[in-house]
Amino acid sequence: TQLLEQSPQFLSIQEGENLTVYCNSSSVFSSLQWYRQEPGEGPVLLVTVVTGGEVKKLKRLTFQFGDARKDSSLHITAAQPGDTGLYLCAGERNTPLVFGKGTRLSVIA
Amino acid sequence: DVKVTQSSRYLVKRTGEKVFLECVQDMDHENMFWYRQDPGLGLRLIYFSYDVKMKEKGDIPEGYSVSREKKERFSLILESASTNQTSMYLCASSILQGNTYEQYFGPGTRLTVT
Repeated sequence: TQLLEQSPQFLSIQEGENLTVYCNSSSVFSSLQWYRQEPGEGPVLLVTVVTGGEVKKLKRLTFQFGDARKDSSLHITAAQPGDTGLYLCAGERNTPLVFGKGTRLSVIA
Repeated sequence: DVKVTQSSRYLVKRTGEKVFLECVQDMDHENMFWYRQDPGLGLRLIYFSYDVKMKEKGDIPEGYSVSREKKERFSLILESASTNQTSMYLCASSILQGNTYEQYFGPGTRLTVT
């Protein structure tokens, strides 16, 4: 059983479109992290959300932690080809982190 | 900046060979991790370590062992490589930032066992 479910698995969109990817669980997490992984590289931490309902912005990326701290979303405004990659969410309960399987995003110019 | 380095980006080994994957971090992090990443299966934790000479089994430890003799170095060992161990191997280290542990990954080693 996957503790963290990410959806969609794959997403292919045109440059300039908006998109949202989701990270859902039936478990409560003390924090939720989002990573981006580019082909042939390791994941890179984008953001950590800690408080239920918290919203964090990183340029065109908006991250939200659910009120009950069981889910999170990542919204990208006006996607660019440079946003292409695998987006992973990771939940913290007791260490180590629990990772979702990721959403693979392709932004076409 | 935190730097996690892995000894090889690409490695090709034969079935039955003993394989060593090395990972070094330069930020004095206590915690270190080894994952493998396969299409459709995501990141799976093999082993982790919270201190020198300490190791804990992750979700898929079978066929692997680890060594942590120094704080900055965490080695993954495949005692007798098999074709089903062909994968991308990722090392990570983590540190407590406020109330959360933030994880930093190396670039990965793509291992092919033939």
